[in-house]
Amino acid sequence: AQKITQTQPGMFVQEKEAVTLDCTYDTSDQSYGLFWYKQPSSGEMIFLIYQGSYDEQNATEGRYSLNFQKARKSANLVISASQLGDSAMYFCAMREGSLRYNQGGKLIFGQGTELSVKP
Amino acid sequence: KAGVTQTPRYLIKTRGQQVTLSCSPISGHRSVSWYQQTPGQGLQFLFEYFSETQRNKGNFPGRFSGRQFSNSRSEMNVSTLELGDSALYLCASSRATGNTIYFGEGSWLTVV
Repeated sequence: AQKITQTQPGMFVQEKEAVTLDCTYDTSDQSYGLFWYKQPSSGEMIFLIYQGSYDEQNATEGRYSLNFQKARKSANLVISASQLGDSAMYFCAMREGSLRYNQGGKLIFGQGTELSVKP
Repeated sequence: KAGVTQTPRYLIKTRGQQVTLSCSPISGHRSVSWYQQTPGQGLQFLFEYFSETQRNKGNFPGRFSGRQFSNSRSEMNVSTLELGDSALYLCASSRATGNTIYFGEGSWLTVV
């Protein structure tokens, strides 16, 4: 069964330092997508970064990068140069199925990691 | 470019009542999904609509239902509300085969 595991319930990082948030996944599908979202206390889920299972290069979006290790089934989020505004819950999510065809938009989420950035 | 819009943002209902939540997806997005988020269960998929048809369904009782209109706007309805339905309800939209799924700000439902 498909599953997302985030083993770090909470993390602290010093402002301007880099931080890695862990995510491992389990799926029997060969085609899938991995997502990271940020959720501040307001509740909105903010899309950060996406990695497809067939993408050979790690995804990057500004200060966010995804360390994708397919054989280990891990998709860790790296935030460089942390800012106070990065304090929030971070969720890893997976969508199964080919992205070239109409396979649906169902996401499976992990339990999240609460990141606190210290000044 | 407007994002995903959910209304209402906050509402309080009484047990036994019913509630309807609305979601307007990003222009051009035809897929709309709904999720329930609670402290105990985390984020759980409710259902997904595409071109007015339910394409995926999560493991929720029949009290939870939804629909999608021809303009891709979607509504979800919860009948006979229970205290355990208190949650943040999030709507997400995406293109038919997109690799990005965007969420709205959510609707905070409190059942008393």
